Amino acid sequence: EVKLVESGGGLVQPGGSLRLSCAASGFTVSSNFVSWVRQAPGKGLEWVSVIYSDDTTFYADSVKGRVTISRDNLKNTLYLQMNSLRAEDTAVYYCARDGYYGSGPRGMDVWGQGTTVTVSS
Amino acid sequence: DIQMTQSPSSLSASVGDSVTITCRASQSVSSYLHWYQQKPGKAPKLLIYAASSLQSGVPSRFSGSGSGTDFTLTISSLQPEDFATYYCQQSYSTRTFGQGTKVEIK
Repeated sequence: EVKLVESGGGLVQPGGSLRLSCAASGFTVSSNFVSWVRQAPGKGLEWVSVIYSDDTTFYADSVKGRVTISRDNLKNTLYLQMNSLRAEDTAVYYCARDGYYGSGPRGMDVWGQGTTVTVSS
Repeated sequence: DIQMTQSPSSLSASVGDSVTITCRASQSVSSYLHWYQQKPGKAPKLLIYAASSLQSGVPSRFSGSGSGTDFTLTISSLQPEDFATYYCQQSYSTRTFGQGTKVEIK
């Protein structure tokens, strides 16, 4: 079964840090693109970051400089290191499989269940 | 950055109705346009990829069309399980989501 499972969310004070994990099964993260997408309470979806199979990374302007996406190929796990957290980073964070080189436009076809990050004092 | 604008933001419809949601990109995204359905408390689900390709397992009452900057998602005969929020998303240049369209029961 192709699956993604996020973990690492929690309550953190403004200015703090958190590392989210996204464990994959049924496919290899190193051969695919994987994105992080977040959803603030009562709001729409916001793309956060993507990592390609060649380690190319992109970030949304709202998190650039504060967030780092990375991957552990041996653990088949994706990470999102978040620093200098702000109240506006409060959201459910999802990871999603997002295509691969040569797939053409493929969309995000596998999603995790999400992990909740709350930034508050 | 490419901006995605959906219309309407919400709509009310009855079971059996045909519903169309529009998504406009601020610049051409070719066919790098995808549609998702999200129900409360759940992760989004991919419905349509590459503007008009039906994702495996998605009912054929869902269809997508368009290219360049203007796209539509059509639900041909609304079913009770289709009441949800729908998002478009481009992957031509990084990624951007539309603001969502909530489909409610009339």
